[in-house]
Amino acid sequence: GQQLNQSPQSMFIQEGEDVSMNCTSSSIFNTWLWYKQDPGEGPVLLIALYKAGELTSNGRLTAQFGITRKDSFLNISASIPSDVGIYFCAGQLFQDGSSNTGKLIFGQGTTLQVKP
Amino acid sequence: KAGVTQTPRYLIKTRGQQVTLSCSPISGHRSVSWYQQTPGQGLQFLFEYFSETQRNKGNFPGRFSGRQFSNSRSEMNVSTLELGDSALYLCASSLRTGVSYEQYFGPGTRLTVT
Repeated sequence: GQQLNQSPQSMFIQEGEDVSMNCTSSSIFNTWLWYKQDPGEGPVLLIALYKAGELTSNGRLTAQFGITRKDSFLNISASIPSDVGIYFCAGQLFQDGSSNTGKLIFGQGTTLQVKP
Repeated sequence: KAGVTQTPRYLIKTRGQQVTLSCSPISGHRSVSWYQQTPGQGLQFLFEYFSETQRNKGNFPGRFSGRQFSNSRSEMNVSTLELGDSALYLCASSLRTGVSYEQYFGPGTRLTVT
């Protein structure tokens, strides 16, 4: 199935370090969403982006909607052990001028490990 | 406000059997989407229901079907189970208000086919 290209695939960092991950696509999206998933649980929504160029923060998390509408990145500043998990980007496909579809296209995920 | 709930959380079935999974969306959300998550394929969209109608469908065989009730609760059914159907099945409900769109996931149902 169609997927976004998310990188890096995994990261192992020291507590306190900043983290950056990104997603790229050949398709234009009108909405980008970033999720975090813990083992055995469903993804939890972290940040939603709706406009090209938009920069949005949620605590230590900052995400941006790329100008071309084909990419997005997520930064985590001053990482802590509870940031461990899998982070997913998701794009909502822009179809026929309507953004009402509930279909999201997901990246492969970035597994983050934080060493105390 | 309660989140998205899914039942059951865990299920073990045998090849050839069928299974029904249930999802209750967040109150006020009329759109329910279903996803399959596997280590190899990641998160793959199955279908979406809005106001009891299937609005969008992913690339899965006809063995995968769903429906939505008037109270927005949704079920998905998989018939003639195959080993490859073992996965985490996630339900998500969404709400659009103006340009804002957010999709919230339930905890998932872990299906194991033996």
